[in-house]
Amino acid sequence: KQEVTQIPAALSVPEGENLVLNCSFTDSAIYNLQWFRQDPGKGLTSLLLIQSSQREQTSGRLNASLDKSSGRSTLYIAASQPGDSATYLCAVPNQAGTALIFGKGTTLSVSS
Amino acid sequence: EAQVTQNPRYLITVTGKKLTVTCSQNMNHEYMSWYRQDPGLGLRQIYYSMNVEVTDKGDVPEGYKVSRKEKRNFPLILESPSPNQTSLYFCASSPLGYEQYFGPGTRLTVT
Repeated sequence: KQEVTQIPAALSVPEGENLVLNCSFTDSAIYNLQWFRQDPGKGLTSLLLIQSSQREQTSGRLNASLDKSSGRSTLYIAASQPGDSATYLCAVPNQAGTALIFGKGTTLSVSS
Repeated sequence: EAQVTQNPRYLITVTGKKLTVTCSQNMNHEYMSWYRQDPGLGLRQIYYSMNVEVTDKGDVPEGYKVSRKEKRNFPLILESPSPNQTSLYFCASSPLGYEQYFGPGTRLTVT
C-alpha cells in the first residue's frame, strides 16, 4: 500500500532563505505527484503538478522535482517570504487512480 | 472563476441530526471526491465518484452517504452524525487522472 512521508514535519527559517521540502513515496508506479499549500484551518491550494514523464515543474519561486526511481520529490522555495508560512503537502494517486494519498505535511514558518 | 464550492463552511450540530454538506464544481470535471482531515491522521478519502451515478467507497466511508445525480454536484450526507465525525471536510474535483482542485473546507462539530 502506498505511503507518503514528508520530512521535516516543521521548519523555521529567516526571510530570504532558500529551502527544500522533501517528500518520499513507497510505490514508484505513480503517474503524477501534486504539491499543495494549506493555510491554518483553510483549504488546499494546488501549487504544482508533476506528471511522471516530467522531472521538474516550476511556478514563480517554486520548483518541484520528481525522481520516480528513488521514490522522491522535492519542493524548492527560493527567497522565502513571511507569506510563504503555511503547511505544504505532497500527494500521489493510489494504484487505482481513485484517491490521492497525502503525506502529513511540512509546516513552514518564515520570520521577518 | 473555476472553483469548487462547499456549503456550509462551518456547522455545529447535535448527535443524530441528519445533515448535508453540499459540493459543487463549475469545471465540468468527471471525478469528484470527499476527504476528511484530522490532526495526526492527515487527509483520508471518504467517497469518490468517477462520473454521474457512479460512486464508490474510499478508506473511511462508515457513517456517510453520497449521491451524484448531476455532474457538477456531489453532496455528502450524514444520516445520524456522531461526535467522531467532528472534522474538517474537503470536496475535490478533477478531470480523470489530472490535477485535483479542492474546495475551501467545511468545519463540522458534532456535540
